[in-house]
Amino acid sequence: GDSVTQMEGPVTLSEEAFLTINCTYTATGYPSLFWYVQYPGEGLQLLLKATKADDKGSNKGFEATYRKETTSFHLEKGSVQVSDSAVYFCALRPNSGGSNYKLTFGKGTLLTVNP
Amino acid sequence: DGGITQSPKYLFRKEGQNVTLSCEQNLNHDAMYWYRQDPGQGLRLIYYSQIVNDFQKGDIAEGYSVSREKKESFPLTVTSAQKNPTAFYLCASSSLQGYEQYFGPGTRLTVT
Repeated sequence: GDSVTQMEGPVTLSEEAFLTINCTYTATGYPSLFWYVQYPGEGLQLLLKATKADDKGSNKGFEATYRKETTSFHLEKGSVQVSDSAVYFCALRPNSGGSNYKLTFGKGTLLTVNP
Repeated sequence: DGGITQSPKYLFRKEGQNVTLSCEQNLNHDAMYWYRQDPGQGLRLIYYSQIVNDFQKGDIAEGYSVSREKKESFPLTVTSAQKNPTAFYLCASSSLQGYEQYFGPGTRLTVT
């Protein structure tokens, strides 16, 4: 079945540091890929997405590129801020078959950014 | 403003009691979902519904029940049969052909 593996946290960075959170997936065909962010005590918000190979999703300074050859969708940001402290989830959605409604999530990575 | 509301934000119950969590959306989305979140385990799908009066079990449906009598509403009942009900519950919705799921703010249920 489909699965998502993301780097375990917690990740602690200083403000303005470079961020990478690794995400790899296993799926049949060409799924859509997502990064969601969860701030403390809140629901999930969609951060960015990519729907086909080589697509780059970007939002709020975050970027991720859909790499079919390495089945990866790593999240990056060039300069993190304290307000980026949150849990980040990588997820995939099949684009074919009867399960194309269903999101499969990674376990989440807690990011803490210190001033 | 369009969105998903879940109530209450915090819920406390005694063991052996059924409890119903509310989820309402005004996004005109056809599909709705319930997830359970436990620390360090990501999100797991409990139930989903793609149309009124129809719903399917997700990966961890045992001990839960749902109804979908209106497009806007998808309440989740945590029954006394659920062995470990204490968790953070998230409701989501999406258009049937859409790529994104939109999430509510969640309900934290504590059962003692």
